[in-house]
Amino acid sequence: EAGVAQSPRYKIIEKRQSVAFWCNPISGHATLYWYQQILGQGPKLLIQFQNNGVVDDSQLPKDRFSAERLKGVDSTLKIQPAKLEDSAVYLCASSSIGGEAFFGQGTRLTVV
Amino acid sequence: DQQVKQNSPSLSVQEGRISILNCDYTNSMFDYFLWYKKYPAEGPTFLISISSIKDKNEDGRFTVFLNKSAKHLSLHIVPSQPGDSAVYFCAASEAGYALNFGKGTSLLVTP
Repeated sequence: EAGVAQSPRYKIIEKRQSVAFWCNPISGHATLYWYQQILGQGPKLLIQFQNNGVVDDSQLPKDRFSAERLKGVDSTLKIQPAKLEDSAVYLCASSSIGGEAFFGQGTRLTVV
Repeated sequence: DQQVKQNSPSLSVQEGRISILNCDYTNSMFDYFLWYKKYPAEGPTFLISISSIKDKNEDGRFTVFLNKSAKHLSLHIVPSQPGDSAVYFCAASEAGYALNFGKGTSLLVTP
């Protein structure tokens, strides 16, 4: 079974630029999550989708972050404009309803 | 506000001995608890879970204990092996909602 795919693996951008991350979840998983992991911290939820609807986006900084899940499958997370404090690993995860979450390898973002 | 707390940033254990990783939570609505293991440059991988109706779950060398009254869970690894060296994250959730993670405990198993 293929795992959660994320791209790119690494990205370096200047502050105020925009960036987008892509995630392809495990086939058949209805729930998709985006987490932000800052160095030395645990993953923090940014947004949770079930199929193509948003379940929880209470911790998503909506003035600069946006996310969508097209047709209930792939998802993109965008940051525009980026700030220095956005430097982190962005993790995508998926799960069947009620099941444990499986994570991708993450995208390491560095904002300079 | 951190709802899941791992108060030990690191732990060092000799190979063959028991590793005990601890986790506390504050939200009494949490009913599902998991441990994830993370190697550098990889995403977290699921290790073991326990629901609030149980107080123990065992899978090979890994056992998770849940004490609901104390809002505390622990992961026991017996015997510890050098390949167990990684960061371990405790996570908890309410049904239908996303996981809340602790900050992680870095385990080093020395030969």
